[in-house]
Amino acid sequence: GNSVTQMEGPVTLSEEAFLTINCTYTATGYPSLFWYVQYPGEGLQLLLKATKADDKGSNKGFEATYRKETTSFHLEKGSVQVSDSAVYFCALRNTDKLIFGTGTRLQVFP
Amino acid sequence: EAGVAQSPRYKIIEKRQSVAFWCNPISGHATLYWYQQILGQGPKLLIQFQNNGVVDDSQLPKDRFSAERLKGVDSTLKIQPAKLEDSAVYLCASSLDLEYEQYFGPGTRLTVT
Repeated sequence: GNSVTQMEGPVTLSEEAFLTINCTYTATGYPSLFWYVQYPGEGLQLLLKATKADDKGSNKGFEATYRKETTSFHLEKGSVQVSDSAVYFCALRNTDKLIFGTGTRLQVFP
Repeated sequence: EAGVAQSPRYKIIEKRQSVAFWCNPISGHATLYWYQQILGQGPKLLIQFQNNGVVDDSQLPKDRFSAERLKGVDSTLKIQPAKLEDSAVYLCASSLDLEYEQYFGPGTRLTVT
């Protein structure tokens, strides 16, 4: 079946630190991969996506590369800000269904 | 462009009571989704509509949950009777059509005591 596994949080960083949130997936066929972000009190927002192997999605300084050989889609950012504090969800879409990971809380301190 | 609207934002009920949630999708979006997000977990799809027809309700506990999307626009999700394990955030999302990007509402946080 289809599933997504994310590293557990919370991830606690100081401002300007490097961020990596690991995500691996299991899927039949060739899914599209996504990272969603959920700020406190808000709904999920699409952060970035990649639709095929070796694609790199990027947005707001975040990026992730679709690695078919390792079935991974790790989220990275070179220098985090306090405003990046949120919960990040990795997800895959096979046919029309979105399958989410459990989410990783990121806390950035000044 | 207005986003996906949901109400109420918060609801507290006792077990065995009933509750209803309302969702107004983005104008023109044909596909509407209801997700359940239990604390510490990712959202799980409950039901998916295409216009006013159900595409997938395989994960909907039909003995207590029901949903409708009359006229293919607004949707309501109902729980009757509620159980303690129904405490969660209920998210509504819409997309222009199948396989297009989904836009999420702010959610309704339900607490069952």
